[in-house]
Order: sequence, then C-alpha cells, then structure tokens
Amino acid sequence: GAGVSQSPSNKVTEKGKDVELRCDPISGHTALYWYRQSLGQGLEFLIYFQGNSAPDKSGLPSDRFSAERTGGSVSTLTIQRTQQEDSAVYLCASSFSDGDYEQYFGPGTRLTVT
Amino acid sequence: GESVGLHLPTLSVQEGDNSIINCAYSNSASDYFIWYKQESGKGPQFIIDIRSNMDKRQGQRVTVLLNKTVKHLSLQIAATQPGDSAVYFCAERYNQGGKLIFGQGTELSVKP
Repeated sequence: GAGVSQSPSNKVTEKGKDVELRCDPISGHTALYWYRQSLGQGLEFLIYFQGNSAPDKSGLPSDRFSAERTGGSVSTLTIQRTQQEDSAVYLCASSFSDGDYEQYFGPGTRLTVT
Repeated sequence: GESVGLHLPTLSVQEGDNSIINCAYSNSASDYFIWYKQESGKGPQFIIDIRSNMDKRQGQRVTVLLNKTVKHLSLQIAATQPGDSAVYFCAERYNQGGKLIFGQGTELSVKP
C-alpha cells in the first residue's frame, strides 16, 4: 500500500509569511507525528496525535507553530510569521498506534525561509 | 551572518567489513530504542528496535546491543555493503506514548 506522503516537497517562503505543510498518513494508522530536521542534525520532535486523545504538543518551539489532524487522518502543520531559523526539513511519520510500533516516515517537506 | 556547517560523526569502512555505530542515550528511564537509516533526500527508515528488558537483538545482518549501565546503544552491521551508506540515528522513548528523542546521527561511508 501507499506510504506516508507529504506536500509540498519543497517550499520557499519569505520571512513573515505563513506556511502550511500537509501529511497523509498510512491508512489505518492512528498515531501521527511531526518532526523537524535542521541541516546536519538529528530529528527534533514537534507534536504527535493519537486517535481522539489530546495531542502531545510538548515539542512545538513557539506559539507560531500549530498542527491539526482532521478526521483522524490528514494533518496540517502551520507555521505563522515564518523566521529564517524555521528553515528545515519537516518530517511526518505515522504508526499503527503509539507505543512500541514502528514509525513510518514520509519524504519530508524542505522549507526555506528567505 | 556567516553560517557554520555542522558535521556529523563519520565512519568509513571497506565493503565486506563489519561496522559498529555507537550511540549514547540521555535518559535512564527510557524503555524502548530504535535505529533508523536515512539516505540522502529521504525520510528515516526503521532498521531494528530493542526494549529495555533485553540487551541484544538480531536482525538480518544487523545486531543491536543495549548497555543500560552506561546508557549506550550500538548497531552492528555485518558484511557492510555500498547500499548501507547512509546516516544512522538512534532514538529513545522514555515517557510512554510514541514521542521519540533522536541522537545526532552517524554518517556511514562504505568504500567499494
């Protein structure tokens, strides 16, 4: 079946603009995660959703970042008033459930803030 | 301003040799650990996992060792192949749920 998909694959935006990044998880996966990867760095956890539970937002770096997951499927990560330090690859992953289940990653969205 | 590039630790091995990639994890309460492989331009790909009640787990050509005493994790790749060239990350989980904390990563380069 299809894996995790993300769009757009690349996004260039001007400082101060808002951006939306989309993630389509694997069908049937109840858990969905967002991570950020800066150049030459490991992955930094941002937020995760599990079923109908309140999301774990503990990794969001500022209140400019928010995410939604509609209908338990597609998720959108929104960054308001983008800054140059927001430039990174944003990775989405999904898993059958949270806990000890393999997280399958999408290819990421490369965000460049000019 | 001037930007400074960040350099990952690099391991260079000859094709056919065994590779050992090491990782120090941060939280003694972590109960689940995973190794991921990331090729250029792609998302991380699961390799192998291990729970804290184990100290060794084997897969196909890969073995993960866990030493909780010193909070150390290692990935051994047998008969390393050019296709193994990638960046390898360890990740830990310490608060239930699915949130993973990733290490910095090690770049493995396999010379033919």
